[in-house]
Amino acid sequence: GNSVTQMEGPVTLSEEAFLTINCTYTATGYPSLFWYVQYPGEGLQLLLKATKADDKGSNKGFEATYRKETTSFHLEKGSVQVSDSAVYFCALSLGGGSEKLVFGKGTKLTVNP
Amino acid sequence: NAGVTQTPKFQVLKTGQSMTLQCAQDMNHEYMSWYRQDPGMGLRLIHYSVGAGITDQGEVPNGYNVSRSTTEDFPLRLLSAAPSQTSVYFCASSYTGDNEKLFFGSGTQLSVL
Repeated sequence: GNSVTQMEGPVTLSEEAFLTINCTYTATGYPSLFWYVQYPGEGLQLLLKATKADDKGSNKGFEATYRKETTSFHLEKGSVQVSDSAVYFCALSLGGGSEKLVFGKGTKLTVNP
Repeated sequence: NAGVTQTPKFQVLKTGQSMTLQCAQDMNHEYMSWYRQDPGMGLRLIHYSVGAGITDQGEVPNGYNVSRSTTEDFPLRLLSAAPSQTSVYFCASSYTGDNEKLFFGSGTQLSVL
C-alpha cells in the first residue's frame, strides 16, 4: 500500500543550525508530496509541496526536493529559528481528492535559543 | 477570514456519554473531513464529505457519526464515548480535486474517563 515514513523524533537543535528531516515514501504510482507543519496549539498548515519528480518545493526558508530514484522528500532549512519549533508531517497523494492524502507520523522539532 | 472553526477546544466526558464536535468553514469548500491525532500514530481519517448530503467512511469510522446538511457545517457525533476515543480531533476542509491544500481547524482535545 501507500505509506510515508519519517525520521523518528524528537529533534532538538540550537538556533541557526541546519535542519534535515528525512521522509521516504512507498506508492503504487507517482504521488504528489507535501510537508505540513503544526505549531503548538494549532492545526496543521501546508508548508510546501511538489507534484512531480525533481520538483523543489520551498516556503519560509524550507526546501524539499522530490527524488523519484530514492523515493524521498527530505525537508531542509539552512538556519532554524526558535519560531520553527513545531511538528512536521510529510504526506503523499495519488490524486482523487483530499481523502487520499496519506500522512507520516510526524517529527517534533524543538529549537533552543 | 475565520477559516475552519472547531468547538469546543477542550471536553471531558464520562464513558457512555454522547456529544457532538462542531466544525464550520467559511471558504465554500466542498470537501470536509475529520481526523484524530494520537501520539505515535499520526493523523487518521475518521469520516469525510465531498459535498452537502454526501458522507463516507475513512480509516477509523467506528463509534462516530457524521452528517453534512450544509456546505459550511460538518459535525462529528460520538454516540457512546469510550476511553479509546480520548484524542485530539481535527476538522479539515479543501476544494475538491487533486492535490488541493487542506485547511485545518485548531483542534478539540477530548478526554473520556
